[in-house]
Amino acid sequence: QLQLQESGPGLVKPSETLSLTCTVSGDSIRSTIYYWAWIRQPPGKGLEWIGRIYYSGNTYYNPSLKSRVTMSADTSKNQFSLKLSSVTAADTALYYCASEAVPGTYFDYWGQGTLVSVSS
Amino acid sequence: SSELTQDPAVSVALGQTVRITCQGDSLRDYYANWYQQKPGQTPVLVIYRENNRPSGIPDRFSGSRSVNTASLTITATQAEDEADYYCDSRDNSGYRHFGSGTKVTVL
Repeated sequence: QLQLQESGPGLVKPSETLSLTCTVSGDSIRSTIYYWAWIRQPPGKGLEWIGRIYYSGNTYYNPSLKSRVTMSADTSKNQFSLKLSSVTAADTALYYCASEAVPGTYFDYWGQGTLVSVSS
Repeated sequence: SSELTQDPAVSVALGQTVRITCQGDSLRDYYANWYQQKPGQTPVLVIYRENNRPSGIPDRFSGSRSVNTASLTITATQAEDEADYYCDSRDNSGYRHFGSGTKVTVL
């Protein structure tokens, strides 16, 4: 069974870059049956898909965030990462990493989530 | 439009049946999935590809679709089913979208 764990700073200053990493255990991120996704949830609000990455490096980003998002994968560490640039208070949220069954059908395993606050 | 619309809240008496709906044009072509999120917890997949239950999900949870509306039905609702429920699907470009969520209150 897959396990995912997010890590990264809990506080980011406005205009800076948010950086998070998701460590995967239970399978390799080279697995061909998963995409690796990031999803966020502002406090008291709903879920928003940020994007996905395949082990090959192919990425899909939410068009509303595309200009600020970069995802990458480190197969040697079995990790994938999220960078979100030029953050504002609106980016304050609980950030989840999740596995997305290929071919992009559903999110079956989720990390516990990590709260990132944007504040000076 | 790829937007998915859900009723904000619904209530159900203990032991009764509740249906939660998710409406969107993309559902004419693509399956919906459903996630349960209890307060302070991570979302859990309860229905995938319209009407399939992952292992460990009780059979009182079921899914269906009619035209552009997906439904999650909980029969014999239990107190522990009180939660927020989100639908999710994809659009023609492969991007994922979540519904706005429905808060289910068990009376």
